Amino acid sequence: GAVVSQHPSWVICKSGTSVKIECRSLDFQATTMFWYRQFPKQSLMLMATSNEGSKATYEQGVEKDKFLINHASLTLSTLTVTSAHPEDSSFYICSALGALGTEAFFGQGTRLTVV
Amino acid sequence: AQKITQTQPGMFVQEKEAVTLDCTYDTSDPSYGLFWYKQPSSGEMIFLIYQGSYDQQNATEGRYSLNFQKARKSANLVISASQLGDSAMYFCAMREGNFGNEKLTFGTGTRLTIIP
Repeated sequence: GAVVSQHPSWVICKSGTSVKIECRSLDFQATTMFWYRQFPKQSLMLMATSNEGSKATYEQGVEKDKFLINHASLTLSTLTVTSAHPEDSSFYICSALGALGTEAFFGQGTRLTVV
Repeated sequence: AQKITQTQPGMFVQEKEAVTLDCTYDTSDPSYGLFWYKQPSSGEMIFLIYQGSYDQQNATEGRYSLNFQKARKSANLVISASQLGDSAMYFCAMREGNFGNEKLTFGTGTRLTIIP
């Protein structure tokens, strides 16, 4: 299957700093990518849908100024957590949708800890 | 309202038995897709099976099959001959919306434990 690479796999940062997470589709072009947040023992909560070349569509309750999403190319989408606080600590995972919409490939996830 | 409902938070199944994980969905889109993923404790999301809303036949992938009942809006996953390695969280997900306006949303998951 196709490969989606997410980096970093884990990061610890100080409160008030910003963290950028990258999601790359390595062997196919992904027009649409999704960003999720997952709390321990819970489901994946869709944060936003990112489409190449356009602004991301955020889910209700997700602060777009705090979670900046950029999808500048067909192989790369980034999520930047700005002015991170301890409550932003979570597992973030991206997914790239295949061209036909019949496949959605996931990155390995990023465990963010804000101290 | 929940788009994807998984009513079984946890299941315990004897090794080698078949198991059915329930999933119901809600959408008004005529075209949509249903996915099942396995998430072991490592956190990675492993794709298992896909069913398109217009597919006439139920999807099958090895030991996995999807019991698609469109009128009931259900898409249950059936795992035949369960193995110890099947112990994990299982998520049902739905893709809806048109090109450029798509969403992929997940149910709350079922934790499956296979007993030796």
